[in-house]
Amino acid sequence: NAGVTQTPKFQVLKTGQSMTLQCAQDMNHNSMYWYRQDPGMGLRLIYYSASEGTTDKGEVPNGYNVSRLNKREFSLRLESAAPSQTSVYFCASRAGSAYNEQFFGPGTRLTVL
Amino acid sequence: GENVEQHPSTLSVQEGDSAVIKCTYSDSASNYFPWYKQELGKRPQLIIDIRSNVGEKKDQRIAVTLNKTAKHFSLHITETQPEDSAVYFCAASSGSGGSNYKLTFGKGTLLTVNP
Repeated sequence: NAGVTQTPKFQVLKTGQSMTLQCAQDMNHNSMYWYRQDPGMGLRLIYYSASEGTTDKGEVPNGYNVSRLNKREFSLRLESAAPSQTSVYFCASRAGSAYNEQFFGPGTRLTVL
Repeated sequence: GENVEQHPSTLSVQEGDSAVIKCTYSDSASNYFPWYKQELGKRPQLIIDIRSNVGEKKDQRIAVTLNKTAKHFSLHITETQPEDSAVYFCAASSGSGGSNYKLTFGKGTLLTVNP
């Protein structure tokens, strides 16, 4: 089992460029999440998908869109990148109940110039 | 929505001492409280968790306590070792049922264990 995988590992964008961060899990989990991590701010939820076919906004959704392509894959899109979106992005997945462990991907370090 | 406060933001201890990190939460419906450890440049990984129907849970040198009435929970690490140095995050899980659960994280505690 690869667990949760993310691509790319690193990315540098110019302001206004667009890109999609990819995430996949092979644990047959229902729920998937996108977080951003900034120094001193912890992990903030951007969007989540409780189950295939549904997506919901988290704490900081502005400037992002998501697609739950199928049960395995959940992508995060930046349509017009801004320097404020410079961050480390983590994807995570969790089986669909209240007490299950949430597993994180290795992260994508994004810099927007 | 849920709000999780975590203290302290940094903690420095001598090897062999104990470390305690405290969190409070706002949503009385939250029922699951995990703790994650994140080493530098790595992903967060679960180290221990507790459900709302339990007051304390131990796993070797780490323990978590929960006070539902006061809405706070704590991580205790005994006999600290240099490899315990990392950022620790507390979290609380809330949601409306089924798969619709999400974790709200505290801002993290940087623990440094000095040899």
